Amino acid sequence: QKEVEQNSGPLSVPEGAIASLNCTYSDRGSQSFFWYRQYSGKSPELIMSIYSNGDKEDGRFTAQLNKASQYVSLLIRDSQPSDSATYLCAVRSGGNTGKLIFGQGTTLQVKP
Amino acid sequence: KAGVTQTPRYLIKTRGQQVTLSCSPISGHRSVSWYQQTPGQGLQFLFEYFSETQRNKGNFPGRFSGRQFSNSRSEMNVSTLELGDSALYLCASSLTGDEPQHFGDGTRLSIL
Repeated sequence: QKEVEQNSGPLSVPEGAIASLNCTYSDRGSQSFFWYRQYSGKSPELIMSIYSNGDKEDGRFTAQLNKASQYVSLLIRDSQPSDSATYLCAVRSGGNTGKLIFGQGTTLQVKP
Repeated sequence: KAGVTQTPRYLIKTRGQQVTLSCSPISGHRSVSWYQQTPGQGLQFLFEYFSETQRNKGNFPGRFSGRQFSNSRSEMNVSTLELGDSALYLCASSLTGDEPQHFGDGTRLSIL
């Protein structure tokens, strides 16, 4: 079992729709959760961070965390073609300062 | 505020050689983490430095080493290069290691 799992996709949604990206993790001691966006040929860019159960909203993005289910998700509302990228889920376990474990990433395609 | 700066952007080496990559973190950030990204393995944690000390290390052979200087700049060294070392090497910084990490543009290393 991988430590952080994501569906590789591609996930295809029409422009204006809601894109839902999911991530599960195996370490119950995980404390910090991050979503990064990576365009082809570029480095990862931080979108959201979440640390406690529930929802956290930032513009068109909403991160959701459920520690009991070991599940974190990212919702992108009003998806735009410019959102087409690979979305990486990253997890930091307690005590592992500075060490992020990444999922393989989900490729999102937003079709005009 | 300047972001994370990695040099060089591209490197071509042959098997058996060694290479040194450099990373200057965001001003004020004292934690520097290094990652290797390949199509097959995704983003994998190499090591993290804070206040010139390695605090965390991933599962890479001893050929991969690093250091951090008093100004928080960090270098990563790979000795006896192998074909499988071809990858994008990413550096990320944060204030103390507990906060979200911000990535540099990476160094793309190709081994011939």
